[in-house]
Amino acid sequence: NAGVTQTPKFRVLKTGQSMTLLCAQDMNHEYMYWYRQDPGMGLRLIHYSVGEGTTAKGEVPDGYNVSRLKKQNFLLGLESAAPSQTSVYFCASSYMDLNGYTFGSGTRLTVV
Amino acid sequence: DQQVKQNSPSLSVQEGRISILNCDYTNSMFDYFLWYKKYPAEGPTFLISISSIKDKNEDGRFTVFLNKSAKHLSLHIVPSQPGDSAVYFCAASSETSGSRLTFGEGTQLTVNP
Repeated sequence: NAGVTQTPKFRVLKTGQSMTLLCAQDMNHEYMYWYRQDPGMGLRLIHYSVGEGTTAKGEVPDGYNVSRLKKQNFLLGLESAAPSQTSVYFCASSYMDLNGYTFGSGTRLTVV
Repeated sequence: DQQVKQNSPSLSVQEGRISILNCDYTNSMFDYFLWYKKYPAEGPTFLISISSIKDKNEDGRFTVFLNKSAKHLSLHIVPSQPGDSAVYFCAASSETSGSRLTFGEGTQLTVNP
């Protein structure tokens, strides 16, 4: 019972490089989310998906793209990384039940 | 604008005493509130929630109080234990936001033995 798995756990990027963060869930959840956590800012929603093939913008979507080609996977892409994207990224999944959010353990990304 | 605010970045209490974590919100459309706990290098985990039709919800050592007129909620932990040391996030949702949550900044709770 893995829950929500994020890959990679750590990454250092140079400014302008691109990368994809992978989130995989094995709970058959319809909804998936990408949040970023920054000191003094809490968790802010980047993008989310309400089902396979759907994506929508959250609170801070600029500089990121997402895809949900398979129900169990939610990918977060950075096309041209910037130092302002240095953060800890959390993926989560849920049914409609708000108590049922399950978070991954996070990806710590540093952009230099 | 920060719709959910946790004004205390940190709180330190003695083991066995009460911990009170506070959260304020500005969006009157919020109707469901949650508390999450986060340990270092782990993702947040759900702790307790409350609907706006209630003013109190209790689960073991954890109680959440909601004051809608003041747009304020608080989490009480009694008695506090060293294992409760973690970052606590307040979160809120509205009917229009569906399953999306708006989080506060978090409060680092340290329970000293």
